[in-house]
Amino acid sequence: ELKVEQNPLFLSMQEGKNYTIYCNYSTTSDRLYWYRQDPGKSLESLFVLLSNGAVKQEGRLMASLDTKARLSTLHITAAVHDLSATYFCAVDSTQGAQKLVFGQGTRLTINP
Amino acid sequence: DGGITQSPKYLFRKEGQNVTLSCEQNLNHDAMYWYRQDPGQGLRLIYYSQIVNDFQKGDIAEGYSVSREKKESFPLTVTSAQKNPTAFYLCASSWTSGGREQFFGPGTRLTVL
Repeated sequence: ELKVEQNPLFLSMQEGKNYTIYCNYSTTSDRLYWYRQDPGKSLESLFVLLSNGAVKQEGRLMASLDTKARLSTLHITAAVHDLSATYFCAVDSTQGAQKLVFGQGTRLTINP
Repeated sequence: DGGITQSPKYLFRKEGQNVTLSCEQNLNHDAMYWYRQDPGQGLRLIYYSQIVNDFQKGDIAEGYSVSREKKESFPLTVTSAQKNPTAFYLCASSWTSGGREQFFGPGTRLTVL
């Protein structure tokens, strides 16, 4: 059974600092997705990572995938308050039909 | 505009009632999904469908039912057998090939009175 774990679950940081969110998963997969959720809202797609070594960047966020280590990272550079949200990683189950298994989410708070 | 719509945005249910949540997409996606999110938690898969007239149970299907009579529509019924239905319900859709990125609707917040 595929399990996805994120850490940390809660992260409070100051504007201008750098930090990394980690996403570990338990079984083989080469498809991983990062989503953002604002309070009371739906999920917004951030990155789609489809192969080992994939790296995607958008503004102050950069995501990478290491399928051998079963690890993805979401790196935040010079954080700004607008990035405060909950971030989820999700892994595509490769057994049978497509199903996404989500991590618990990382609640990120960026303080001025 | 292409996208996914869900209705209603808020829904209140009395105990013992069945309620149906609507999900419509005009992205021409083949696959559609229903997730449940409890406060402070991740998403859990209820049901999914990869093709019209076919659907499969997810991880927490008990107390829920779905239908997929049209490609663009995937309604979810929360039955009285679901003992703790208060949650945020999210519908998503995707292609079944390529990146298979799932796109989410705005959600329905269901509260049992």
